[in-house]
Amino acid sequence: NAGVTQTPKFRILKIGQSMTLQCTQDMNHNYMYWYRQDPGMGLKLIYYSVGAGITDKGEVPNGYNVSRSTTEDFPLRLELAAPSQTSVYFCASNPGGGRNTEAFFGQGTRLTVV
Amino acid sequence: QQQVKQSPQSLIVQKGGISIINCAYENTAFDYFPWYQQFPGKGPALLIAIRPDVSEKKEGRFTISFNKSAKQFSLHIMDSQPGDSATYFCAAISGGYNKLIFGAGTRLAVHP
Repeated sequence: NAGVTQTPKFRILKIGQSMTLQCTQDMNHNYMYWYRQDPGMGLKLIYYSVGAGITDKGEVPNGYNVSRSTTEDFPLRLELAAPSQTSVYFCASNPGGGRNTEAFFGQGTRLTVV
Repeated sequence: QQQVKQSPQSLIVQKGGISIINCAYENTAFDYFPWYQQFPGKGPALLIAIRPDVSEKKEGRFTISFNKSAKQFSLHIMDSQPGDSATYFCAAISGGYNKLIFGAGTRLAVHP
C-alpha cells in the first residue's frame, strides 16, 4: 500500500525555470492538498482539491498552479521559479466526509531555486 | 501572522522525563485539533487529535489537554524516549474540507 507518493524527492531549479511536482495517492481519497514547509514556519497550505475537476487556493497560492483531472493525481506547477519558492513541498490526502479524518502525507519534495 | 501559536521552538528532555508542548489559538471557529509528528526526511503523520468538547485525550504515553475557555491546548509525552525525538506540530481545522492550519513546530530531542 503506497499511500501518497511524491516525485521527485529533490530538485534544483534555476530562477525562471518551470517544473511540475507530481503527487499520486492510491487510497481513493476525495481531498488532496499541497503544503510548503519552511524552517520555523510550520506548513502552509498552497492549494487544495475536493475532487476531480475542483481546486481552490489556500493560504499561499501565488506563483503556483494545480490541476486535478483524476482522483489519484494532483500535480503542482511552478511556472517561473523564484528563490522564495525554495522550500520542502508536501502533498497530502484525506478521505473527506467529516472532521475526524486523518490526513496522509507524502515524503516531500525538497526544492532549491538558485 | 500565525493563527496557531506553538511553543517552545525546541525542547531537550532526558529519557524518562515529561515533554510538554503548548499551543494557543484565537479563532473560535476551529473545531478539531490534531497533533502531527515528523521525523527527518519524512512527511508529518497524525499522532493524536482532540475535539473542543473534550478536555483531555490519552493514547498510550501521549496526552492532549484542552482548555476551551483559554483557547489553549498542549501535548504531554510521558516517559519520553529517544525514539520520540522528532518535530511536533499542533494544528487546527476550521470550515470545510479539513484544511489544516499548523503551528510553527517544536523540535524535540530526548537524550538517553
